[in-house]
Amino acid sequence: SAVISQKPSRDICQRGTSLTIQCQVDSQVTMMFWYRQQPGQSLTLIATANQGSEATYESGFVIDKFPISRPNLTFSTLTVSNMSPEDSSIYLCSVVRGLNTEAFFGQGTRLTVV
Amino acid sequence: KQEVTQIPAALSVPEGENLVLNCSFTDSAIYNLQWFRQDPGKGLTSLLLIQSSQREQTSGRLNASLDKSSGRSTLYIAASQPGDSATYLCAATGGGNKLTFGTGTQLKVEL
Repeated sequence: SAVISQKPSRDICQRGTSLTIQCQVDSQVTMMFWYRQQPGQSLTLIATANQGSEATYESGFVIDKFPISRPNLTFSTLTVSNMSPEDSSIYLCSVVRGLNTEAFFGQGTRLTVV
Repeated sequence: KQEVTQIPAALSVPEGENLVLNCSFTDSAIYNLQWFRQDPGKGLTSLLLIQSSQREQTSGRLNASLDKSSGRSTLYIAASQPGDSATYLCAATGGGNKLTFGTGTQLKVEL
């Protein structure tokens, strides 16, 4: 398993501002991912956080809006930039220790943009 | 593009009943299929993972099956309890360990 700490757990933000979400894992992991869960919807992959290089974004997500850092094998951040009410969602960090193995998730960050 | 569907969308059962949740996926080229539980406002808890070469996995009262050729997986919950009330999500793993999630089944087990 993996112990994943995600901060903050929730926040209410003004439109036009930015929020950085942190994801800390208890030990080194190969792969880290960021997902979004919009209200009443299932999870959608935003990007794969690559250690030491730029993140790989899924269709519909861009670096300017969701910059991601991954400075080492246990930590990553996701920034939601220039927020609008449409960005109100739960953002979840996920890790996988090895290829095609079990995925584990943090408790999520519930973001409300007003 | 992989699409994952779950039926039913919602289910309400009396305590003690056995139940089956269904998951279907359009692209059979998956590496594994994972079932998760999500409590309201919370993250995901991994329940079972079935590798593409496997037919089923069991953990306690939970049993998950996988039929890759027909694009189907089922989660069987035996002797349901109120504490089982949650949303259950299935996810198919494709290349790069990327998960495609289903739409979820919201389960309520009543006393």
